[in-house]
Amino acid sequence: KAGVTQTPRYLIKTRGQQVTLSCSPISGHRSVSWYQQTPGQGLQFLFEYFSETQRNKGNFPGRFSGRQFSNSRSEMNVSTLELGDSALYLCASSLAQGPYEQYFGPGTRLTVT
Amino acid sequence: GQQLNQSPQSMFIQEGEDVSMNCTSSSIFNTWLWYKQDPGEGPVLLIALYKAGELTSNGRLTAQFGITRKDSFLNISASIPSDVGIYFCAGDYGGSQGNLIFGKGTKLSVKP
Repeated sequence: KAGVTQTPRYLIKTRGQQVTLSCSPISGHRSVSWYQQTPGQGLQFLFEYFSETQRNKGNFPGRFSGRQFSNSRSEMNVSTLELGDSALYLCASSLAQGPYEQYFGPGTRLTVT
Repeated sequence: GQQLNQSPQSMFIQEGEDVSMNCTSSSIFNTWLWYKQDPGEGPVLLIALYKAGELTSNGRLTAQFGITRKDSFLNISASIPSDVGIYFCAGDYGGSQGNLIFGKGTKLSVKP
């Protein structure tokens, strides 16, 4: 079975721009969660989608948003990028809603200059 | 918000040594998960624990869900060079609304 895939793997943007990241979950998995990983804050939960609905949201500003499509693929969007948004963005999928056995993709490394 | 205290922050291993690390929380956790992350990659799930007292093995790795439900332990026996990386504990508790909370990680390196 193919694992979680994320595109693109690397991205460089300038302040004020917006970015869209994509995640394809493991086949059959319906829940997709997004995390931000930085050296200072570690792994922080952004949001979770299940059956095209956002079920949970972490403590991030409204500039961070996402959506899930009917085939469970998910995208996250960050608008008006700030330098502090530079991070590894990880997507994880699981069979059902909640934290159970989440499987991570390789991440998208976003650098904001 | 809830934080997980993971220790040690880093350790050096020599091939063949056993390694232990742990995570503690101030809240009761419902689930404990252990992940390993290599540079430039996403975390890989090693072991999942769902019941207090549960002891689960995955090859040379053994993890336990603490009886108090506020801690978890990971042991690696007879370490080999490919064990180097960062190990994360993660879990959910009543106040996390099902979200995973992660520890800061334990970085395993090879002794010079």
